[in-house]
Amino acid sequence: AQSVTQLGSHVSVSEGALVLLRCNYSSSVPPYLFWYVQYPNQGLQLLLKYTSAATLVKGINGFEAEFKKSETSFHLTKPSAHMSDAAEYFCAVSGGSNYKLTFGKGTLLTVNP
Amino acid sequence: DTGVSQDPRHKITKRGQNVTFRCDPISEHNRLYWYRQTLGQGPEFLTYFQNEAQLEKSRLLSDRFSAERPKGSFSTLEIQRTEQGDSAMYLCASSLAGTYAYEQYFGPGTRLTVT
Repeated sequence: AQSVTQLGSHVSVSEGALVLLRCNYSSSVPPYLFWYVQYPNQGLQLLLKYTSAATLVKGINGFEAEFKKSETSFHLTKPSAHMSDAAEYFCAVSGGSNYKLTFGKGTLLTVNP
Repeated sequence: DTGVSQDPRHKITKRGQNVTFRCDPISEHNRLYWYRQTLGQGPEFLTYFQNEAQLEKSRLLSDRFSAERPKGSFSTLEIQRTEQGDSAMYLCASSLAGTYAYEQYFGPGTRLTVT
């Protein structure tokens, strides 16, 4: 069984500030981990993925995440927030033969000018 | 590469009516997934196909829900006798098989409102 916990349903930062969105996972098999972004009334866009290679993963739009097995975490960061980063972010875990994604409840990121 | 498309984008229906949604995956992708997203929640897995074979449907919410992918290309999701609790965003995703099966690309979703 797999599960994802995203700490903080709403995170608010100032433009130019560090973005940190937290994700902890549980998996009975070696996990693949993902961050997706969702803009209002749109589908999900893949930001980045961890697939058992490098533990520090770089994605699109300046985001990166670090896989820490000992902490079962996969937190998403960006050094400097832009207004265009305002959206909902979902962490997801996958593993096993059906490849289904199990998502967290999401974190809404607000960027203040 | 035109991406995953879904039709319609919005559907309003009355309780008790049947609805059908369509998903067209990325052309070279042979895996197709359906998810449901309710307000304030992350997407929840429903079912998936590899080519025309439906490999898991245990997560379909009830026997009112069914999905098909008859020729291994587009897929349809049908909900019979809709209930207000079926109101949600229905998302489709596709991927390659094998090593890249984990990398799923999502469509824009169909938002269903049951009145």
